[in-house]
Amino acid sequence: DSGVTQTPKHLITATGQRVTLRCSPRSGDLSVYWYQQSLDQGLQFLIHYYNGEERAKGNILERFSAQQFPDLHSELNLSSLELGDSALYFCASSVAFSLGGNEQFFGPGTRLTVL
Amino acid sequence: LAKTTQPISMDSYEGQEVNITCSHNNIATNDYITWYQQFPSQGPRFIIQGYKTKVTNEVASLFIPADRKSSTLSLPRVSLSDTAVYYCLVGDTHRMGYQKVTFGTGTKLQVIP
Repeated sequence: DSGVTQTPKHLITATGQRVTLRCSPRSGDLSVYWYQQSLDQGLQFLIHYYNGEERAKGNILERFSAQQFPDLHSELNLSSLELGDSALYFCASSVAFSLGGNEQFFGPGTRLTVL
Repeated sequence: LAKTTQPISMDSYEGQEVNITCSHNNIATNDYITWYQQFPSQGPRFIIQGYKTKVTNEVASLFIPADRKSSTLSLPRVSLSDTAVYYCLVGDTHRMGYQKVTFGTGTKLQVIP
């Protein structure tokens, strides 16, 4: 158990819909990262928040948005869902702002299925 | 953006040493190299991290040459439970200190009895 929690574990929805994925980082971790992993694909970095502030964006679509709240939990909002958005979405947390010298702890993921 | 390249797959017999190499030709001065292990439908798990030369922990060693354009993860005496996908990660530091994250394509290691 990494200490990172993600809810829900599974999510099935229809095209065009909007969903919210939630992540609670490890106690004390200020950084939250979101990743997308499609079937048999590698991990695609989406976005990084540190202490409530967006720090870096990766390949995140405009239909997707995220935020980190004062209690440090984070939400990833996916709207106008398409079939191709079906994937595992991972959240990871780390103590510090920089990746150097810091380990990311990954949550169990949310499996999103868009029908 | 630092791009990484890894072999797509590797096979090894139990008890053998496995070396997985990652190329990262455009690595930046402040970037660290990190390796993660991932089992199916699970989140990745940290294995080892380094900046230069050699790093060793209880599960692996990481070799980084002086030019830092590649790195090699070494797993001693693998067992069947080491069958997983191994990712090389390079932190891409912007001038302002903001980092994107680049995972490699991953190397699928199959350990054979």
